[in-house]
Amino acid sequence: DVKVTQSSRYLVKRTGEKVFLECVQDMDHENMFWYRQDPGLGLRLIYFSYDVKMKEKGDIPEGYSVSREKKERFSLILESASTNQTSMYLCASRSQNQPQHFGDGTRLSIL
Amino acid sequence: GESVGLHLPTLSVQEGDNSIINCAYSNSASDYFIWYKQESGKGPQFIIDIRSNMDKRQGQRVTVLLNKTVKHLSLQIAATQPGDSAVYFCAEKGSGGYNKLIFGAGTRLAVHP
Repeated sequence: DVKVTQSSRYLVKRTGEKVFLECVQDMDHENMFWYRQDPGLGLRLIYFSYDVKMKEKGDIPEGYSVSREKKERFSLILESASTNQTSMYLCASRSQNQPQHFGDGTRLSIL
Repeated sequence: GESVGLHLPTLSVQEGDNSIINCAYSNSASDYFIWYKQESGKGPQFIIDIRSNMDKRQGQRVTVLLNKTVKHLSLQIAATQPGDSAVYFCAEKGSGGYNKLIFGAGTRLAVHP
């Protein structure tokens, strides 16, 4: 089975802090994704990566950046956290022509 | 607790009944669709997918039906069990390809004994 692991289930940070969310997959997938999930809005794509050191903006990249230095790891960075970034963050990965597989999410609260 | 489903439509069924969850999609050119299940406190879990060259696809206790004429997708769950209680999302492949899925807001399925 595909295993997508997000390093934290719950995280509380303060406004203005730099926040790192980490995601690791163990299936050698080329593609990795970061989403946020908010009530009534469905999943919204922040960034994705199709290879090491490659990244593409999703639908809501503002206020976020990403890093993919190794194939198995995809990091989401909040450069200066704001309260409107309080959300559930989901990481996913996929290989070519296969569906995306998700981690269990990080619930991030910005105070 | 889980807050993702606060404003979702809810389908309530009795244990053992069949469930039908519906989804309308937006792009008539979409050629790939996926259903996900999300249990409380967990990430979305892949259930089944279908390509637009098919009208129907069956898995274990689940069937997905695709009606391209009216841009409608449905997920049928046979003999619904308490463990099926979750939020169910459909997703379509957007114009950006497999890496840019468009997700529906979801439907909560509540199974009562």
